[in-house]
Amino acid sequence: AQTVTQSQPEMSVQEAETVTLSCTYDTSESDYYLFWYKQPPSRQMILVIRQEAYKQQNATENRFSVNFQKAAKSFSLKISDSQLGDAAMYFCAFLGGTYKYIFGTGTRLKVLA
Amino acid sequence: DTGVSQDPRHKITKRGQNVTFRCDPISEHNRLYWYRQTLGQGPEFLTYFQNEAQLEKSRLLSDRFSAERPKGSFSTLEIQRTEQGDSAMYLCASSISGLAGVETQYFGPGTRLLVL
Repeated sequence: AQTVTQSQPEMSVQEAETVTLSCTYDTSESDYYLFWYKQPPSRQMILVIRQEAYKQQNATENRFSVNFQKAAKSFSLKISDSQLGDAAMYFCAFLGGTYKYIFGTGTRLKVLA
Repeated sequence: DTGVSQDPRHKITKRGQNVTFRCDPISEHNRLYWYRQTLGQGPEFLTYFQNEAQLEKSRLLSDRFSAERPKGSFSTLEIQRTEQGDSAMYLCASSISGLAGVETQYFGPGTRLLVL
């Protein structure tokens, strides 16, 4: 069975600084997708970035980028130039051949002014 | 494209009562998913539909839970004889299959259930 582990329950970052959120996963599948979702307080989950496992190039979306290490089964999210609006719960998710997401337990990101 | 919508957003009920939640997916999306999220946890998969067919159900979905998606459009999730342990956020997501590349799920705002 696939598992997703987020070992940082909470992280803090100063505004304009860079922060990295960690995610590791376990799977025997070779073809899968990984996602980072953001869930602001009392608001819906929003896709931040996604990565196809067959792609060696790390995905980037503006200030958000990932470090995907397939052999190590690691998928970290880097947020550059952090903004107050980045404060939220961040969930790492795995999607294999079963169509259902497997989520981690989340990392709460606080952005300090 | 108005996104995934869910109704109601909040529901308070007494133990033993039945509740029903509705999800309206993005209009062209043929897949619809239900997840449950408890405090401090990530969402956990409950069930999913492709068009009107319910293709998979989690072991979390006891016989008190039933989901339908008539005509492959909106979906309902009913919980009968609610228990305090059913208190959670119920999330709906939708996606479209058949396109090349990654199939991303888009989430609704959720229905927060409190069972007293």
